Amino acid sequence: NAGVTQTPKFQVLKTGQSMTLQCAQDMNHNSMYWYRQDPGMGLRLIYYSASEGTTDKGEVPNGYNVSRLNKREFSLRLESAAPSQTSVYFCASKPGANYGYTFGSGTRLTVV
Amino acid sequence: AQSVTQLDSQVPVFEEAPVELRCNYSSSVSVYLFWYVQYPNQGLQLLLKYLSGSTLVKGINGFEAEFNKSQTSFHLRKPSVHISDTAEYFCAVSVPTGTASKLTFGTGTRLQVTL
Repeated sequence: NAGVTQTPKFQVLKTGQSMTLQCAQDMNHNSMYWYRQDPGMGLRLIYYSASEGTTDKGEVPNGYNVSRLNKREFSLRLESAAPSQTSVYFCASKPGANYGYTFGSGTRLTVV
Repeated sequence: AQSVTQLDSQVPVFEEAPVELRCNYSSSVSVYLFWYVQYPNQGLQLLLKYLSGSTLVKGINGFEAEFNKSQTSFHLRKPSVHISDTAEYFCAVSVPTGTASKLTFGTGTRLQVTL
């Protein structure tokens, strides 16, 4: 089915380890986003990419980096994981300004 | 910058009763407004959106919302809820400038429907 695919679905890291969360969409959307979801805090924007070749910081970018590899793929990297990065991470995409997001199913990350 | 306030963190309701989930926003410019639903262990799914035009917006699963500019509100309603409506609901706002127009989300309202 068309949509946004995130891998992995679950991950446990030790403090200081690094990892990359993968996101791919097959809807030819221009814009892609990474959010984190924490209890009682809703979703907070980490980074986004308005179009292929561009990336910008969101509300909570510290400790993360992103790569817009091509129009389909937008990855999120944790260089040195910290317990405060324990969260559920969602990737989303949309074709343009007048549209809502299509979300992936999320990655549940635990940092111990 | 824009912001969203969802006034109720939890709303318990009996099946077949009506429900209203409240959302207020803050912005100095015109906005787009959205409601999303999240079922347990899933991603978020778009329920409905307001871009312009009629202030009453109908969405999926029998939900509707009304945009009230004077009260800066976008409350979500359903006349008769079902057990399957149990989920978390998020209100979101964006400013329609540029292709990236990012969404700012509220903290969510957990709707719990019981028999």
